[in-house]
Amino acid sequence: GAVVSQHPSWVICKSGTSVKIECRSLDFQATTMFWYRQFPKQSLMLMATSNEGSKATYEQGVEKDKFLINHASLTLSTLTVTSAHPEDSSFYICSDGVPAFFGQGTRLTVV
Amino acid sequence: QKEVEQNSGPLSVPEGAIASLNCTYSDRGSQSFFWYRQYSGKSPELIMSIYSNGDKEDGRFTAQLNKASQYVSLLIRDSQPSDSATYLCAVSVIDAGGTSYGKLTFGQGTILTVHP
Repeated sequence: GAVVSQHPSWVICKSGTSVKIECRSLDFQATTMFWYRQFPKQSLMLMATSNEGSKATYEQGVEKDKFLINHASLTLSTLTVTSAHPEDSSFYICSDGVPAFFGQGTRLTVV
Repeated sequence: QKEVEQNSGPLSVPEGAIASLNCTYSDRGSQSFFWYRQYSGKSPELIMSIYSNGDKEDGRFTAQLNKASQYVSLLIRDSQPSDSATYLCAVSVIDAGGTSYGKLTFGQGTILTVHP
């Protein structure tokens, strides 16, 4: 497994804008990475599985056109929240699939 | 029915006591089981993993798994105020044979408060 670095740790954006979150697996070539979302007082819910070199797999109820995932290399996956709205405000966390390693999380606030 | 269920708590125990956290899961195909601790505003931190029936001990923590009953628990001995956090139970249907455990399904978490 590898240390997972996520950036930024927090971001505030205006409604209607897009935000990109990066997730890097620092010393492990991750062909698959996972994106979770956590609303306040709730647990982590898997949003999508990012697959290197192919399309991401989205969980039921997650809009693939809104949450764009790109896994262009074995160490980097990105999640772009397009046309963000206040209801997208949440804590987004990535993982390289090894249970011990989650990114630090990104707190997104849409105003 | 939720796939992974935990009592949301809050569970309050005095310092030095044993805290007992419970989790049940619905998918009999689940192979790997994890307990995480999450402080407010932080990512989950892995505390214990368990894959076979029985007990697994690591320091003050003991995980117990009963696949027949689809039940996994975490005991924290000599609880400390620093143990106050939300504890998340998670399961995966992928076993420990590969390098990736795949996606995790989390319970809603149990809030633990250890008071001095």
